[in-house]
Amino acid sequence: DIQMTQSPSSLSASVGDRVTITCRASQSISTYLNWYQQKPGRAPQLLIYAASTLQSGVPSKFSGSGSGTDFTLTIGSLQPEDFATYYCHQSYTPPHTFGQGTRLEI
Amino acid sequence: QVQLQESGPGLVKPSQALSLTCTVSGGSLSSGSYYWNWIRQPAGKGLEWIGRVYMSGSTKYNPSLKSRVTISIDTSKNQFSLQLRSVTAADTAVYYCARNSYLGLVVSGGFDSWGQGTLVTVSS
Repeated sequence: DIQMTQSPSSLSASVGDRVTITCRASQSISTYLNWYQQKPGRAPQLLIYAASTLQSGVPSKFSGSGSGTDFTLTIGSLQPEDFATYYCHQSYTPPHTFGQGTRLEI
Repeated sequence: QVQLQESGPGLVKPSQALSLTCTVSGGSLSSGSYYWNWIRQPAGKGLEWIGRVYMSGSTKYNPSLKSRVTISIDTSKNQFSLQLRSVTAADTAVYYCARNSYLGLVVSGGFDSWGQGTLVTVSS
């Protein structure tokens, strides 16, 4: 299985800050890397697919980059609704695997 | 806009089988453009992919669960289903059905549509 390692596991930030979350795959996954936001009691929501493509309807303050094994999710100008848990996910090969999550806290 | 909705018992006894159905509306399981997946999340923990089915009935499972899992599809009802056998307390989780794009026999896209999730508790 491809292991996905996110860092940090938790992150404290303030409204207006810009933050970056990283995700590393245990082997190359090209750009088959996706990012999700999950709020308590809700299903995850796709933010970025194919490493850097913004999902329809997602604000442009979310951006993704990377290829191979190293990827980043950047969130610009944090707003209260952005405080949530973020997951990376590889869709390069089954079994699909997720990072352990990054909890973004105020 | 496609919508997915999980249904099934919220309580299952240990050693029995967990059975869930995902009903899809606003889109067809026969389209061929998507895989249909089951994903679970224990309380306070991360996401675990269980497996997927394609419109042809072709399946892929997580090896960690493969011996206990069956995912099937009924395109006439626009539903797909999960059966997980011999459950234990470790199978207690919120179970989600989700869709992702078919890009090839191996690679696929992000999970772009999800059901709301259903909590399944394994307890006697």
